Amino acid sequence: DIQMTQSPSSLSASIGDRVTITCRASQGITNELGWYQQKPGKAPKRLIYSVSSLQSGVPSRFSGSGSGTEFTLTISSLQPEDLATYYCLQHQGFPHTFGQGTKLEIK
Amino acid sequence: EVQLVESGGGLVQPGGSLRLSCAASGFTFSDHYFDWVRQAPGRGLEWVGRSRDKAHSYTTEYAASVRGRFSVSRDDSKKSFYLQMSSLKTEDTALYYCVRSTYGYGAFEIWGLGTMVTVSS
Repeated sequence: DIQMTQSPSSLSASIGDRVTITCRASQGITNELGWYQQKPGKAPKRLIYSVSSLQSGVPSRFSGSGSGTEFTLTISSLQPEDLATYYCLQHQGFPHTFGQGTKLEIK
Repeated sequence: EVQLVESGGGLVQPGGSLRLSCAASGFTFSDHYFDWVRQAPGRGLEWVGRSRDKAHSYTTEYAASVRGRFSVSRDDSKKSFYLQMSSLKTEDTALYYCVRSTYGYGAFEIWGLGTMVTVSS
């Protein structure tokens, strides 16, 4: 199984800050990596697919990058509505596996 | 509007069975893969199982934790996707999400709101 190690597990940032979340895969994956946002009490929502493709309707302050075993989600300028838990997902092989999640709080 | 609506959750005793349903609308059901993803209370996301589309022979995949106990199926004519759960354990307690994927377009692009399954005596 491919394990996804996500960091940090939580972080607190101020409005306007640049925020970076990282996922490391236990083995190299190609481009089958996505990022998901889950707001409190809501279903997850896809933000990024294929490492760096922005889901339609998602604000451009969200971006994804990386290759091999290290991948990054960046929020360029944090907004109040970005309060959520963020998950990475690898879907190169089965089982598909999520990172443990990063809980983002607003200072 | 593209929509997935889950139903069938509830309280069941350990060892019992339950069938979850997912009704789709707003898109061509037969063109897509469908998965179940679950989330135990206060925990992260766990993929459960997948059904591919007709073009990929409706083949299925399962997480090791549910293989042999859970079964996914679909009825393209009814635009519905199912999860048959048996030999339920307390650790199966979770919110179960129905999720749509499109081959070649990443995974888990559309999520339902979820249906809660509680396994308890």
